[in-house]
Amino acid sequence: QSVLTQPPSVSGAPGQRVTISCTGSSSNIGAGLDVHWYQQLPGTAPKLLIYGNNNRPSGVPDRFSGSKSGTSASLAITGLQAEDEAEYYCQSFDTSLTPLYVFGTGTKVTVL
Amino acid sequence: EVQLVQSGAEVKKPGESLKISCKASGYSFTNYWIGWVRQMPGTGLEWMGIIYPGDSDTRYSPSFQGLVTISADKSITTAYLQWSSLKASDTAIYFCARRRSGNYYDAFDIWGQGTMVTVSS
Repeated sequence: QSVLTQPPSVSGAPGQRVTISCTGSSSNIGAGLDVHWYQQLPGTAPKLLIYGNNNRPSGVPDRFSGSKSGTSASLAITGLQAEDEAEYYCQSFDTSLTPLYVFGTGTKVTVL
Repeated sequence: EVQLVQSGAEVKKPGESLKISCKASGYSFTNYWIGWVRQMPGTGLEWMGIIYPGDSDTRYSPSFQGLVTISADKSITTAYLQWSSLKASDTAIYFCARRRSGNYYDAFDIWGQGTMVTVSS
């Protein structure tokens, strides 16, 4: 059971901007803990897209950006491309009871 | 090249034991934590546990504590995930992933390709 909630799906036409929200609580995102984002293309392993709320690893296009505010975080994809069609997951750390890593519920991005 | 290469797909019967592996290369194996993540068919990612190969310090998610064992052999730079008695509900893809840094809250930057485990009578 995930403690980070994402919309099941978002869609957009090529070239458009889409955003994915990740809602947590005071024991994870709201506690000031970093949010990371992963992209999972069909049939492949997750790939780190954004770390530390808004940092891109080398090789990730600047079309991808992250932000965080309060108990929520967001991933924005600008200039949407067909190759961006994938599942996206946020991830953070939860300090309630037993500290552990937590993933979001996942969002399927569809390029129309 | 920094990479994690996992062992191949497994098909097992309920009650059987299993140990899958995650071979690291291209970096100092003992200096980075390695985690395991489960992805059941058609569902999202679940964190199972994490190990520091340098001293085998291991932490488990409460959901997996006592159900699996995570270990590492630094002599061959390999991490393991094992079950002593599989259930049908263990059918899933299992990923290993390296944590970016010593910061406990950091991201997982390198992922293995995944190992599909099928448990069926």
